[in-house]
Amino acid sequence: GAVVSQHPSRVICKSGTSVKIECRSLDFQATTMFWYRQFPKQSLMLMATSNEGSKATYEQGVEKDKFLINHASLTLSTLTVTSAHPEDSSFYICSARDPVRGYEQYFGPGTRLTVT
Amino acid sequence: AQSVSQHNHHVILSEAASLELGCNYSYGGTVNLFWYVQYPGQHLQLLLKYFSGDPLVKGIKGFEAEFIKSKFSFNLRKPSVQWSDTAEYFCAVNAENQGGKLIFGQGTELSVKP
Repeated sequence: GAVVSQHPSRVICKSGTSVKIECRSLDFQATTMFWYRQFPKQSLMLMATSNEGSKATYEQGVEKDKFLINHASLTLSTLTVTSAHPEDSSFYICSARDPVRGYEQYFGPGTRLTVT
Repeated sequence: AQSVSQHNHHVILSEAASLELGCNYSYGGTVNLFWYVQYPGQHLQLLLKYFSGDPLVKGIKGFEAEFIKSKFSFNLRKPSVQWSDTAEYFCAVNAENQGGKLIFGQGTELSVKP
């Protein structure tokens, strides 16, 4: 149990376009989902916390207008990278918290975004 | 602000050697502690976690970690590593009243030579 999926796994887009990444909890309801960014050979950096039915809470330095997060249901959160630029190229990872199991987070497989 | 520090950036061991990866955090209150592993090309998996109780916790694949509150540490250990343990290891901390938010350490790359 506690499986989190992400779609797509890889995406290549042109500079200036927008890209949407989906994060789904497949076998549990996630009241809270988190979005991370991971640069090569580096750690995960928390971008934002997404609570179902409310606005996301962004970490300091993360542009909320650039990284739009929507958590419309208990099993789906989306991250849209708007007007993407090459510096947005990265590995984006989501996680979901199952309130029944406490503070443990379950991670998705990640999405590799390349902006050309 | 909370922070998590992993002392070793890259560790290289031979098979059967013992492993200890250091992790220290800065937060004075109650914390939940985690170690995650990321095998090449795969997503993060939970190795073990500490919420409360016995400070020595055992995880999957023979890993264990000890929470030493006075040292703000949560070091990961394995008595005998295998080639298949080659991966990136991340320590993470969740502090009370932080809504489940995890703060990750920088990660330690473990390379095990067969």
